[in-house]
Amino acid sequence: NAGVTQTPKFQVLKTGQSMTLQCAQDMNHNSMYWYRQDPGMGLRLIYYSASEGTTDKGEVPNGYNVSRLNKREFSLRLESAAPSQTSVYFCASSEFGAGVYEQYFGPGTRLTVT
Amino acid sequence: AQSVTQPDIHITVSEGASLELRCNYSYGATPYLFWYVQSPGQGLQLLLKYFSGDTLVQGIKGFEAEFKRSQSSFNLRKPSVHWSDAAEYFCAVGGTQAGTALIFGKGTTLSVSS
Repeated sequence: NAGVTQTPKFQVLKTGQSMTLQCAQDMNHNSMYWYRQDPGMGLRLIYYSASEGTTDKGEVPNGYNVSRLNKREFSLRLESAAPSQTSVYFCASSEFGAGVYEQYFGPGTRLTVT
Repeated sequence: AQSVTQPDIHITVSEGASLELRCNYSYGATPYLFWYVQSPGQGLQLLLKYFSGDTLVQGIKGFEAEFKRSQSSFNLRKPSVHWSDAAEYFCAVGGTQAGTALIFGKGTTLSVSS
């Protein structure tokens, strides 16, 4: 049981390049999320998917797109990377039911845009 | 507006001393409350959570937190700090609906002096 996995762990991009961050969970959770973490800012929500087939914008969606490929996988795409997107990106998944709300995080992807 | 405030950006505590990290929240509905810990270069680990019932909740690593509805607070405590507790701590609030993302505070960095 791997929990939430993210690839790659590290990435360096040049301004204008594109890339996709991959996330997968094996806990059969319905909901998945992408956050970014910047120093002194805590974690801010980029996009989320409450259930398979749905996606919604979070607090900081500009410059990003997402795809909920199936129940397990939720990818984040940067179409044209900018230095302001240098950050640590965390994927998370959650389940709600019977009074339980659990949110689990992946190990993060450290992205640098030069 | 929904928000989480962690008033202390950085705290230094002597090893063996007690610790209290403050968290105040603003949330329009019944909140679920969480504390996460992040060691340098690592992902987020859940320390404890509050959903309902007893307002004093116990977590891992000897941490506890007390929910005070009248003060909109969820402060984290530990009676005796160990050097390994040095990390960044995040308070977060979430809703009771499926797919609700967490709102994070900006974090408190804990340093432990010998």
